[in-house]
Amino acid sequence: DAGVIQSPRHEVTEMGQEVTLRCKPISGHDYLFWYRQTMMRGLELLIYFNNNVPIDDSGMPEDRFSAKMPNASFSTLKIQPSEPRDSAVYFCASSSDRAGAFFGQGTRLTVV
Amino acid sequence: GEDVEQSLFLSVREGDSSVINCTYTDSSSTYLYWYKQEPGAGLQLLTYIFSNMDMKQDQRLTVLLNKKDKHLSLRIADTQTGDSAIYFCAENTGGFKTIFGAGTRLFVKA
Repeated sequence: DAGVIQSPRHEVTEMGQEVTLRCKPISGHDYLFWYRQTMMRGLELLIYFNNNVPIDDSGMPEDRFSAKMPNASFSTLKIQPSEPRDSAVYFCASSSDRAGAFFGQGTRLTVV
Repeated sequence: GEDVEQSLFLSVREGDSSVINCTYTDSSSTYLYWYKQEPGAGLQLLTYIFSNMDMKQDQRLTVLLNKKDKHLSLRIADTQTGDSAIYFCAENTGGFKTIFGAGTRLFVKA
């Protein structure tokens, strides 16, 4: 398996624009996580899915953020409208049990 | 509340052992993890320990868990320059929610 695949690797956008981050989990993993990493706040869990259903979205910062998982092999995290404070590295991870998650390479988002 | 704390930096000489420490607050944590992050990359799961274990060894890695003190450590034997990275301690606090520490940056001097 190629591991968790995220796209794009880097995204630069202007304030107010919509941004969509994409993730393909490892085949067979039924849990998918979205994390955000910043210097100030470290690694934060935004939302996670089980069998394509959102289980806990308490970490989603505000209504500008939304996440979907239309099928077992694809998920998106959307920010609309984007703001400079959303600049961070966004990670997608997947797992099949609680023995740890496998992370993608991340998307570095810069909002100017 | 839930919190995971670790020291921010550790510097060792190549060939020495590294010990990275972590404290956590949730006594009901069932799984505890160590992840490694190299520059520009995602987090890589190194190992995990279940809460009913005191120790787990995997090649050069040894994890020690003291549940009474809520203390977790990662020992890397014969540390190499390729071990230079940020190491994250994390705890599973229920369901699949995992709380991460701020990470310990390990510097290995040749």
